[in-house]
Amino acid sequence: DIQMTQSPSFLSASVGDRVTINCKASQNINKYLNWYQQKLGEAPKRLIYNTNNLQTGIPSRFSGSGSGTDFTLNINRVEPEDFSVYYCQQSNSWPLTFGSGTKLEIK
Amino acid sequence: VQLVESGGGLVQPGKSLKLSCSASGFTFSSYGMHWIRQAPGKGLDWVAYISSSSGTVYADAVKGRFTISRDNAKNTLYLQLNSLKSEDTAIYYCARKDLVDWGQGVMVTVSS
Repeated sequence: DIQMTQSPSFLSASVGDRVTINCKASQNINKYLNWYQQKLGEAPKRLIYNTNNLQTGIPSRFSGSGSGTDFTLNINRVEPEDFSVYYCQQSNSWPLTFGSGTKLEIK
Repeated sequence: VQLVESGGGLVQPGKSLKLSCSASGFTFSSYGMHWIRQAPGKGLDWVAYISSSSGTVYADAVKGRFTISRDNAKNTLYLQLNSLKSEDTAIYYCARKDLVDWGQGVMVTVSS
């Protein structure tokens, strides 16, 4: 199975900051890396698919980059509604696997 | 697109439960579907997938105990959970193929 390692596990930021969340795959997953946001008590929401494609309706302050084994989610100018948990997920091969999550907290 | 799970509850270890996911707003028969779970306070854990042609894939942790199936005439996805363990306690979500559309989730608690 492909292991997905996310860092950091917790991230403190202020409104307006730029934040970066990292995700490392245990083997090459090509471009097949997706990012999700999950707010408390809600189902996850897909933000980005295939490394850098913004899901319809997601604000442009979210962006993704990377290839192979190393990937990044960036949030430019964090808004109050962005404070939640973020997960990466690989869709290169079965079984699908998720990172352990990054909780973005208000500083 | 709407996905609504049902069938969760409290069940004893070793017992069985069947979850349902009622789909609407899209041509259900044309899409593969997933079950994904989340233990209380923990991360996301993919469980199983069924293709539009009913091919199936399972996570190792549930292989041989859980069965995913679908009834296209009823627009419904199922997950049969057998030989339940305490570590199966989680919110179970159904989701459409690309994991864009998710249900609200249903809680399964395995405890004596």
